[in-house]
Amino acid sequence: EAGVTQFPSHSVIEKGQTVTLRCDPISGHDNLYWYRRVMGKEIKFLLHFVKESKQDESGMPNNRFLAERTGGTYSTLKVQPAELEDSGVYFCASSLSAGSPLHFGNGTRLTVT
Amino acid sequence: AQKITQTQPGMFVQEKEAVTLDCTYDTSDQSYGLFWYKQPSSGEMIFLIYQGSYDEQNATEGRYSLNFQKARKSANLVISASQLGDSAMYFCAMRGVHYGNNRLAFGKGNQVVVIP
Repeated sequence: EAGVTQFPSHSVIEKGQTVTLRCDPISGHDNLYWYRRVMGKEIKFLLHFVKESKQDESGMPNNRFLAERTGGTYSTLKVQPAELEDSGVYFCASSLSAGSPLHFGNGTRLTVT
Repeated sequence: AQKITQTQPGMFVQEKEAVTLDCTYDTSDQSYGLFWYKQPSSGEMIFLIYQGSYDEQNATEGRYSLNFQKARKSANLVISASQLGDSAMYFCAMRGVHYGNNRLAFGKGNQVVVIP
């Protein structure tokens, strides 16, 4: 089966611009997560979807970040406007059920200049 | 708050030897799960092994085993018979009830380089 796929793999944008990251979870996985790793720091939780509903978005850093999962399939994470501190690797993960292991994608490396 | 600590510096390991990666954790939860992930240079995060806090036996998965010492709050990963493809960053992670059952707390990772 296909794994979690993320697009793009890399993105370089200027401060103030908008970027949209996409995640396609493993087919049939209702649970979808976004995580972020800023350079030199731990991987941090951003939010969790169950199907199309936001189960937990307490990790979202501020209102410049907007995540959607219309239809409960793929998800997008939009950063608008991007700031320098948003640079990092954004990981998407999915799981079959709440207690099962998370399967991660390759991540999107975002660089804000 | 839940906390995962991985403090080892980057490690060089001879091919075919075993390597142990340290992970300690701090939690007040009675029920929790511990995970190890591998991140090769390609960037993907690969799930390796899982240990539940109530599991009486240490988890094993092929060449990976988890040395779980609950009283010491440690969950060290042991990779036996290292291969060149094991060169990667390794992350220890935990999921517990108070942190939210679906939120993983990660350590900073251990860099492993396997040399021939």
